[in-house]
Amino acid sequence: AQSVAQPEDQVNVAEGNPLTVKCTYSVSGNPYLFWYVQYPNRGLQFLLKYITGDNLVKGSYGFEAEFNKSQTSFHLKKPSALVSDSALYFCAVPNNNDMRFGAGTRLTVKP
Amino acid sequence: ETGVTQSPTHLIKTRGQQVTLRCSSQSGHNTVSWYQQALGQGPQFIFQYYREEENGRGNFPPRFSGLQFPNYSSELNVNALELDDSALYLCASSSGQVDYNSPLHFGNGTRLTVT
Repeated sequence: AQSVAQPEDQVNVAEGNPLTVKCTYSVSGNPYLFWYVQYPNRGLQFLLKYITGDNLVKGSYGFEAEFNKSQTSFHLKKPSALVSDSALYFCAVPNNNDMRFGAGTRLTVKP
Repeated sequence: ETGVTQSPTHLIKTRGQQVTLRCSSQSGHNTVSWYQQALGQGPQFIFQYYREEENGRGNFPPRFSGLQFPNYSSELNVNALELDDSALYLCASSSGQVDYNSPLHFGNGTRLTVT
């Protein structure tokens, strides 16, 4: 079965600094990878996806993700963090008819 | 474009009772998936409906059941509620049966508390 793992429960960064939220994957065949964000008391919102092509994928709100096949990673990045980026971030991979989500990483950006 | 809407937003039930949660899919989407998100965890797949038929199921017991209607809206029913059923229940719609190019569109969820 396809799966993803998020090794960090919590990431803290200062506003204006770059941020990275880590994700590793285990898939058979070509990987399709997604990032979603969840704000308090809300559903998940799609940020970006990797299907094929360029290893650097650009998404919503200035986020990007780097696909690394040799390290089986798909880390989420942003050059300059905002306080409003504070949320729960989920990496995900399709598995037949369902989407498999990681356990989530709580990002806190401090002013 | 109308997004995914879920009702109710919050619900408190007693152990052993039954509950029905409702979801209206985004316009143009014919597939609805339900997820359970326990506190501090990622969403767990319950099942998916495509054109009114169950189209995949996660590791949930039969007391979790669902329906999809001709307008593609959906219901999640849970019988014989247990304390561990307390969670945020998320509905997500998409435009295809298995479409890896199309992201899921989530509603804001129903927070179920079982006492």
